[in-house]
Amino acid sequence: DIVMTQTPLSSPVTLGQPASISCRSSQSLVHSDGNTYLNWLQQRPGQPPRLLIYKISNRFSGVPDRFSGSGAGTDFTLKISRVEAEDVGVYYCTQATQFPHTFGQGTKLEIK
Amino acid sequence: QVQLVESGGGVVQPGGSLRLSCAASGFTFSTHGMHWVRQAPGNGLEWVAFIRNDGTNQYYTDSVKGRFTISRDNSRTTLYLQMNSLRPEDTAVYYCAKNGQQLLRGSLDYWGQGTLVTVSS
Repeated sequence: DIVMTQTPLSSPVTLGQPASISCRSSQSLVHSDGNTYLNWLQQRPGQPPRLLIYKISNRFSGVPDRFSGSGAGTDFTLKISRVEAEDVGVYYCTQATQFPHTFGQGTKLEIK
Repeated sequence: QVQLVESGGGVVQPGGSLRLSCAASGFTFSTHGMHWVRQAPGNGLEWVAFIRNDGTNQYYTDSVKGRFTISRDNSRTTLYLQMNSLRPEDTAVYYCAKNGQQLLRGSLDYWGQGTLVTVSS
């Protein structure tokens, strides 16, 4: 199985400041079809997860442009340009390149 | 709009069975693969199972193979998870999620609110 490792596991951030979360996979996420199925999810307190970013860098419908994704191969990053109060929650990277799909441990974003 | 509504959760004794349902609406159910993902209390997400749009292929995480069965009824636009031989470590909120298509292929683009399964004597 592909292991997804996120850092940091907790990220206290000041409102209006940037935040960054890293995700590393134990093997390349490049699929035989040429795509890299690395996605990012947000889970606000008491809510189900919500898709933020798909295939490394594509924002899902309705996701603010302060969220961006980057990376390739085994190393990926989610960035929030200016953190807002509504961004509090847990962020997960997840791979869908092969079964079983796997998730990172989650990074808890909180306001300082 | 896409809606996924899970039901069937509850308290069950170890070794018991439960069947979860996920009623889908707002999209063409028969053209999308579907997933079950679970989250133990206070823990992260764990992918459980996937079924292709026509039900021809199913995939499972190792810990549930031989105990859980994912299925679907496209005429009823409903996804199921039959859970047998339940263990305390299966205690979790179970979410159904829709698989994206085309550019969104490989993403779980919509999620239900979840249903809680508690395995305890």
